This record gives sequence, C-alpha cells and structure tokens, in this order.
Amino acid sequence: DTGVSQNPRHKITKRGQNVTFRCDPISEHNRLYWYRQTLGQGPEFLTYFQNEAQLEKSRLLSDRFSAERPKGSFSTLEIQRTEQGDSAMYLCASSSASLSGADTQYFGPGTRLTVL
Amino acid sequence: AQSVAQPEDQVNVAEGNPLTVKCTYSVSGNPYLFWYVQYPNRGLQFLLKYITGDNLVKGSYGFEAEFNKSQTSFHLKKPSALVSDSALYFCAVRDTGNTDKLIFGTGTRLQVFP
Repeated sequence: DTGVSQNPRHKITKRGQNVTFRCDPISEHNRLYWYRQTLGQGPEFLTYFQNEAQLEKSRLLSDRFSAERPKGSFSTLEIQRTEQGDSAMYLCASSSASLSGADTQYFGPGTRLTVL
Repeated sequence: AQSVAQPEDQVNVAEGNPLTVKCTYSVSGNPYLFWYVQYPNRGLQFLLKYITGDNLVKGSYGFEAEFNKSQTSFHLKKPSALVSDSALYFCAVRDTGNTDKLIFGTGTRLQVFP
C-alpha cells in the first residue's frame, strides 16, 4: 500500500495524559499537513511541513500541541495534557509540489482520539 | 478570506437517478476547488479538482463537477447514483499563500436509496 498511513487508528486516553500520533506520507511527497475534524464539521487545518520545515501553524494549534517531521519523512503530532475538547479525528495528508500551484492532497485514514 | 459553503446537510436520491451536491465559494483571485468523499471512520478520498480550463471537470467513480464563475459555484454531479455512493462529501478551496492548505465546507451527507 503506497498511500498515507497513520498510527494508531484509535486512541483513548484520560484527561491530562500526553498522546502522540504518527503519519507516514506517500513516499517522495515533500509536503505534509495535519488537520483536525470534529463531529459534523469539515477538516480544519492545523499545521504544514515542507520537507522538515514547519512553515505554518494554525491558531487552533495551542502550545499543548507540537508537531515534528524529522528528516522530512514521517511526522508526529503530540498533544500534551489532553483535554476533552481535544477529542476529534486527526487527519494527515501529503502532496507533491507542482507548477500548477494546486497540488492534490492525499489523506490518511485518520487517528480518532477520545479523551475521557 | 477564502471560504466554501455547502448549503445542504443531506441529499437523498434514488438509485439510478442523477445526483447533485452543491457548493458555492468565496475567494480572492482564481479559485482552486476540490471535492473529497469520506466513508464512515475513514479518511478523505480525492474525487476531482478545478484549477483552470474546461468548466466541466471529470473525476473518479463517474463523478464530475461544473465550475460556474458567474454563480461562484462548483456543484458535484453524477448521472446515475449508486447505493455505494452514500457517504459524506466535502467541497474545499485552496487558501491564499504558499502552503496550499485547504479550507473545507461542513459537508453534505448523500443517501442513495435502492
């Protein structure tokens, strides 16, 4: 399977615990995105990497959230001191820069986080 | 700011009938528009996109979308619906700037009845 993969698929945690999610993009895709999707809503942008550089972060990404993409390959998203409001589906997408300026983003299956 | 609106929370259609899922957009500059489909507990699957050129864009699984600049719309269509098309459909627009991040609508649930 050469698509975007995410692990774990589901995570249940208690409030105040730290969690980390992993995303493996399509190989050779240099752009990687994290989105968050809550029930009944469309995905909302969290952060973006081009290779290993984190170039943009949404205001949604509080200081409890941190993302990394070491070596420009896989990425991790960590949430510290989780809150019930963090419960959501966390989606990762990757794309390859093109001259058209409108790359297609391919999404992974998501990690569903439930904070008790 | 860029935005898209999906005015219908749900669309119901009988199998074999044509379907339309509506999307309108608000952008500054040229719009880059996308449609994605989401099945239960799954990520988003890319259907099609409009960048420039022909106003009728053909995509995966027999879907197509019509770009209408005067009406600022990008409606998703299919000539003959299948029960397996039942899913959540999202319209999205590329934000301005250099990141290509997408701004999504709230989604439209399509129910195709046998």
